Amino acid sequence: QKEVEQNSGPLSVPEGAIASLNCTYSDRVSQSFFWYRQYSGKSPELIMSIYSNGDKEDGRFTAQLNKASQYVSLLIRDSQPSDSATYLCAVAPGWFDYKLSFGAGTTVTVRA
Amino acid sequence: DARVTQTPRHKVTEMGQEVTMRCQPILGHNTVFWYRQTMMQGLELLAYFRNRAPLDDSGMPKDRFSAEMPDATLATLKIQPSEPRDSAVYFCASGLAGLGNNEQFFGPGTRLTVL
Repeated sequence: QKEVEQNSGPLSVPEGAIASLNCTYSDRVSQSFFWYRQYSGKSPELIMSIYSNGDKEDGRFTAQLNKASQYVSLLIRDSQPSDSATYLCAVAPGWFDYKLSFGAGTTVTVRA
Repeated sequence: DARVTQTPRHKVTEMGQEVTMRCQPILGHNTVFWYRQTMMQGLELLAYFRNRAPLDDSGMPKDRFSAEMPDATLATLKIQPSEPRDSAVYFCASGLAGLGNNEQFFGPGTRLTVL
């Protein structure tokens, strides 16, 4: 079983819709969770970090964390064509463990 | 403009040659990471440093790969000898380790092709 699993995608959504990305992790003691966006041919760009259960909102992005279910998600509201990219979920085991385990990524395409 | 920089951005070499990739972390960051990304394996951690000390290089093939931090502004990843299976994009990332903060910021990457 992979440490970090993401819904395989690709995910195609119409412009203006909500894109929902899911990620599950296997290490129960994980404490830090991140979402990165990676455009084709570019490097991963950090868009959200979340450490506590619940929701965290930043502009059109909302991250949701449920440690009991070992689940973290990313919602993209009012999706724009510029949101078309691969989204990577990353997990770190503890507060002082800086090793990130990445999921394989979910590719999102926003249709104009 | 605080960004991680990497050189070279592209490298094409022949099997058996030595390859050196360089990274300048964001000024003030104390953790540096080397990752490799391929279509098949995704993003894999090769090695990481904190305050210039290597903390983990378990993801790195020891016989041919080496990583160092000669000073706080320079990290290097060396492959000797290179093999075609080393073809990948190599990313450097840096972060400022602290309680509750282990965010990492990636450089633009070095695209390596070994013929």
